[in-house]
Amino acid sequence: NAGVTQTPKFRVLKTGQSMTLLCAQDMNHEYMYWYRQDPGMGLRLIHYSVGEGTTAKGEVPDGYNVSRLKKQNFLLGLESAAPSQTSVYFCASSSPEGPVSYNEQFFGPGTRLTVL
Amino acid sequence: GQSLEQPSEVTAVEGAIVQINCTYQTSGFYGLSWYQQHDGGAPTFLSYNALDGLEETGRFSSFLSRSDSYGYLLLQELQMKDSASYFCAVTEDSNYQLIWGAGTKLIIKP
Repeated sequence: NAGVTQTPKFRVLKTGQSMTLLCAQDMNHEYMYWYRQDPGMGLRLIHYSVGEGTTAKGEVPDGYNVSRLKKQNFLLGLESAAPSQTSVYFCASSSPEGPVSYNEQFFGPGTRLTVL
Repeated sequence: GQSLEQPSEVTAVEGAIVQINCTYQTSGFYGLSWYQQHDGGAPTFLSYNALDGLEETGRFSSFLSRSDSYGYLLLQELQMKDSASYFCAVTEDSNYQLIWGAGTKLIIKP
């Protein structure tokens, strides 16, 4: 099993350009997440999905859109990139079991995005 | 507001024991998780506490006190490969979203 994969691994954009980050998981997980991580900071949730065809906003959703057309894929779009979106983007997936069970999240290797 | 506090950096000697503390203030609480992240890598899950007490997994242990909104990660017999950043994260609601601390960079000296 590949686990969680992300493409691309690196990308440089100019301000105003658009791009899509792809996340794929082969663990049949219901939940998927997109985070960004800035230097010296923890992860901040951008958007998440609790199942195929559903998406919801996280802590920092502005400037991003997402889609979950297939259970195994979660796409993150930047419509008009800004320098403030320079960051490392991580995708994660999980399969929570019950109301008081742990939610171990499995992460992809990350995409390092620079916006000039 | 929501906040998780953990030290930004901790230094320890190879073979020693180190404790990384985490205090939290969140609107809801289901459990406290710990993740490890090596430089340039992705976070990986270490442990989870939903109830008060100590959970042990090999050289790593994690403790939770819900009444004190406090937990810690204990690493024993430190090895150089344990040099990494460690994040505490709270599961706040039934959507299983995680609220993350800023991370503690563990530096291990020989």
